[in-house]
Amino acid sequence: KNQVEQSPQSLIILEGKNCTLQCNYTVSPFSNLRWYKQDTGRGPVSLTIMTFSENTKSNGRYTATLDADTKQSSLHITASQLSDSASYICVVLSGGYNKLIFGAGTRLAVHP
Amino acid sequence: AAGVIQSPRHLIKEKRETATLKCYPIPRHDTVYWYQQGPGQDPQFLISFYEKMQSDKGSIPDRFSAQQFSDYHSELNMSSLELGDSALYFCASSFPTSGSFRGLDTQYFGPGTRLTVL
Repeated sequence: KNQVEQSPQSLIILEGKNCTLQCNYTVSPFSNLRWYKQDTGRGPVSLTIMTFSENTKSNGRYTATLDADTKQSSLHITASQLSDSASYICVVLSGGYNKLIFGAGTRLAVHP
Repeated sequence: AAGVIQSPRHLIKEKRETATLKCYPIPRHDTVYWYQQGPGQDPQFLISFYEKMQSDKGSIPDRFSAQQFSDYHSELNMSSLELGDSALYFCASSFPTSGSFRGLDTQYFGPGTRLTVL
């Protein structure tokens, strides 16, 4: 069964601290993996898109890693800011069906 | 556990026809989001509803309209369909959060409705 699992479900950190969000997937065939940031009631904003051959990709203070062997990805946020408070969703594209498989997301709250 | 239900799962229409997509959120979820995903593209946010009122509006064409009903299900109405409307339409629902996570929500996505316009 194709599925994407994210952990933790929710996270509270202090402003300026770093954090890492995890994503494990069992999707086949795998095409690419995306991380999105989404604020309440708003559309998702793409942070990174990673293909099978990419191990690390950065976008400002966001760094995503992908281990295609273990089918794990992580999103590392450095020097967190209050504006980082949002839901972070891991999405895997299943190449065989051109279908997006969504994780449930990690809710991050950054406190001053 | 109950999930978000979308109907129909597949829909084929011709140009200039109308279509109605339905979304049934997870019980006790009061917020519904609609997304459009074209082939090989990121999902685009269309519109959202909270407690039966529109809460945010994205790139939804004027030909489309949506509403949320008293039982919290939502319908996306699409008129004067164009070839470019062919896409996968996702619905997601969320429930109100409290405490440290007030204002943040986890969205649960439905399986999508694949609309093909011929």
